Amino acid sequence: AQSVTQPDIHITVSEGASLELRCNYSYGATPYLFWYVQSPGQGLQLLLKYFSGDTLVQGIKGFEAEFKRSQSSFNLRKPSVHWSDAAEYFCAVDINNDMRFGAGTRLTVKP
Amino acid sequence: DAGVIQSPRHEVTEMGQEVTLRCKPISGHDYLFWYRQTMMRGLELLIYFNNNVPIDDSGMPEDRFSAKMPNASFSTLKIQPSEPRDSAVYFCASSFSDNEQFFGPGTRLTVL
Repeated sequence: AQSVTQPDIHITVSEGASLELRCNYSYGATPYLFWYVQSPGQGLQLLLKYFSGDTLVQGIKGFEAEFKRSQSSFNLRKPSVHWSDAAEYFCAVDINNDMRFGAGTRLTVKP
Repeated sequence: DAGVIQSPRHEVTEMGQEVTLRCKPISGHDYLFWYRQTMMRGLELLIYFNNNVPIDDSGMPEDRFSAKMPNASFSTLKIQPSEPRDSAVYFCASSFSDNEQFFGPGTRLTVL
């Protein structure tokens, strides 16, 4: 079955530490890949997307993600986390406008 | 542009009542999507439109749910009759064919 998996439900990091959020997908072809962030009570904001080309994608707020076809992964990274990054992060894949979201990873940032 | 606009932001109703959620997509976008977010099921695509025409409604949970898009700048999601299990946050999103969807702030629905 086609699916998007975010293995980590909740991650806590210290401010200034590096961050990696994992995402794996299970599809026959390479889908379009996205990372969204959702702050409490807010809608989803697009951080970055991958359609084709360079497998390392730069996004807003200092985030980047790397597409690894061999691992069917699209992990999100940030070298130094800020307190304002605390939020819920969703990985998503889109095949022919069928957008599927992962269950989300909640990020807590310790002072 | 003001982004995707949804109304109301919060809706509290009693079981059995009709609920109508509204969405105004970003001007010029030709795709519109309705999602539902719950703790148990996460984010689910309910239905999407292309050029005001419903393309895929396979995510609509049951016949109590219906969606319309009478023109390019307006869509509604209706639940009739509503049930407590319909309580969720409903998001509308729009895009211009390049698959980057822009989300509205959502409508938090509570059915008592």
